[in-house]
Formats: sequence, structure tokens, C-alpha cells
Amino acid sequence: DVKVTQSSRYLVKRTGEKVFLECVQDMDHENMFWYRQDPGLGLRLIYFSYDVKMKEKGDIPEGYSVSREKKERFSLILESASTNQTSMYLCASSSRLGSNQPQHFGDGTRLSIL
Amino acid sequence: TQLLEQSPQFLSIQEGENLTVYCNSSSVFSSLQWYRQEPGEGPVLLVTVVTGGEVKKLKRLTFQFGDARKDSSLHITAAQPGDTGLYLCASLKTSYDKVIFGPGTSLSVIP
Repeated sequence: DVKVTQSSRYLVKRTGEKVFLECVQDMDHENMFWYRQDPGLGLRLIYFSYDVKMKEKGDIPEGYSVSREKKERFSLILESASTNQTSMYLCASSSRLGSNQPQHFGDGTRLSIL
Repeated sequence: TQLLEQSPQFLSIQEGENLTVYCNSSSVFSSLQWYRQEPGEGPVLLVTVVTGGEVKKLKRLTFQFGDARKDSSLHITAAQPGDTGLYLCASLKTSYDKVIFGPGTSLSVIP
């Protein structure tokens, strides 16, 4: 089974802090994604990566950056956390970009910014 | 930008009842996926439909892709409490675009 592991289930940080969310997948997938999920808005894509050191902006990249130094790991960085970044963050991986391959999700990190 | 609409937003039914939820777009899908997300977990793929008019069955769940490939439905027969969750549809507009998710239908099946 594909396993996507997010480093924290719950995280509480303060406004202005730099926040790192880590995601690791064990299936040698090329593609990795970061979403945030808010009630009534569904999943919104923040950033994705289709190869090591490659990254592409999604629909809501403002206030975020990402890092993919190794194929299995994709990190989301909140440069200076703000209260409107309080949300559920979901990481996903898939084997090919734009194909019918499923996205495999982690269990999410619920981030609260105080 | 393609947007997906899902209806209803919330649904609460008794165990044993049947239900249908819908996913619609103003644009044509190249393919459409349905995911279920249980509380405290990430979404899990249920099915992918590709051909207009296609019907797929997964036990008590029946998925239909509209002939024009702009809408899809999910029908659950004899719902059970284990069906409780958020049902998300997701689409690829073309083979090389990112996946777009709808806002979801939150289903609660009461024993």
C-alpha cells in the first residue's frame, strides 16, 4: 500500500513564526502536492512538484513556499504565519502528472495560527 | 478556470435509505474521479470515470458520467453508517492539467 506520512497531525503556532510541514511518501511517486482544505471550499492546491527540485504554483501560493530536495519528501513552508493560514493541510502523491492515476493522501495536519 | 459544483452540500439520512449526490461543471471533463474522506483521514479514491455515459459499480455505490462529460452522479443504495464521510469529485480538464476538486458533499448516515 502507498503510504503518505505527514509529520504532525496537529500543530499550533504563533503569528509571524516560520512553519514547516513535512510530507514523505514511500512509493517512488514523481508527483507531490500540497493542498489546504477549508469548510465549503474543498481542496485548494497550494503548490505541486513533478520532480526533485521542481515546483509549480497552484491556485493559492501566496504566503507559502515549498522544497523538494529528495524524491520522497515534499515540504511546505509558511514564511511568516498569519491567522488566515489556520486550516487543514493535506499532502498527496501520484505516479504521473495529468494522468488518471489516483492521488494518495496523507491524513492531514490541522494547523492553528494564534 | 474550471469550477466544480457539488450538491447537496450536506445530507443526513437514516440507515437503509438510498441517496444520490451530484457533481457539475460548465466545462467538459477529460476524466472524473470520486473520493471519500472519512473524519480525521485524507481522501481515498473510489472510482475514475473516463467515457461519456459510463456507469461503474462498487458494491452499493453506482457512479455515472454524463453523456456530455460535464456532470457525474454517485448513487448509494441502502446506506450504512460506514458510508458516512465527505464525498469529493475531482476532474482533469485535459490530460496535462492539475486535478481540480469540488467542495464536497458531507454525508451522515444515522443508525
